[in-house]
Amino acid sequence: ETGVTQTPRHLVMGMTNKKSLKCEQHLGHNAMYWYKQSAKKPLELMFVYSLEERVENNSVPSRFSPECPNSSHLFLHLHTLQPEDSALYLCASSRLPAQEQYFGPGTRLTVT
Amino acid sequence: AQKVTQAQTEISVVEKEDVTLDCVYETRDTTYYLFWYKQPPSGELVFLIRRNSFDEQNEISGRYSWNFQKSTSSFNFTITASQVVDSAVYFCALSENSGGSNYKLTFGKGTLLTVNP
Repeated sequence: ETGVTQTPRHLVMGMTNKKSLKCEQHLGHNAMYWYKQSAKKPLELMFVYSLEERVENNSVPSRFSPECPNSSHLFLHLHTLQPEDSALYLCASSRLPAQEQYFGPGTRLTVT
Repeated sequence: AQKVTQAQTEISVVEKEDVTLDCVYETRDTTYYLFWYKQPPSGELVFLIRRNSFDEQNEISGRYSWNFQKSTSSFNFTITASQVVDSAVYFCALSENSGGSNYKLTFGKGTLLTVNP
């Protein structure tokens, strides 16, 4: 059983929709991450939060907006996405930034 | 240049064969961390091992073993007596300091391992 949960597991949205992805970790970790995994590219780090503060934003378009209200929860707010944003979005957490990350099952996003 | 290179895109073996997945990394840091992750068809990445740069001891865990060689910047992963359930994409990753106490994890492109019965 994973200590990192993600909802929803699957999401289909139109380009004008607004939706949010949710991630919750039950491991007492202090760092949380969003990754994008698409078919033709390696795993891409999007955002890093450490102690609820965003410490990394890897040139992600503003149509993706992260939110970390506390150390256990991480959101990714989506707005006016493009079809090329269709991918598996993975959330992860780690006790400290240098340590191993534990991943959630991902949200399979399809933008139509 | 890639920081983490997994030259083998796909490997196919027959059950019970041994298989080695290669990983070569590049870093200027003296302190860094290396990882292996498994991603089965279900999609969730599963952490397998972490190795610190100052610890070159090889490790064995059941049918899995890892060979860390700083001299060649390699961190190879061997599965002994492979099983069908080992079929997955395996990722090697490098964690380096990105400023202050922050670290950035960079993944290789992954190796798809298929174990046939």
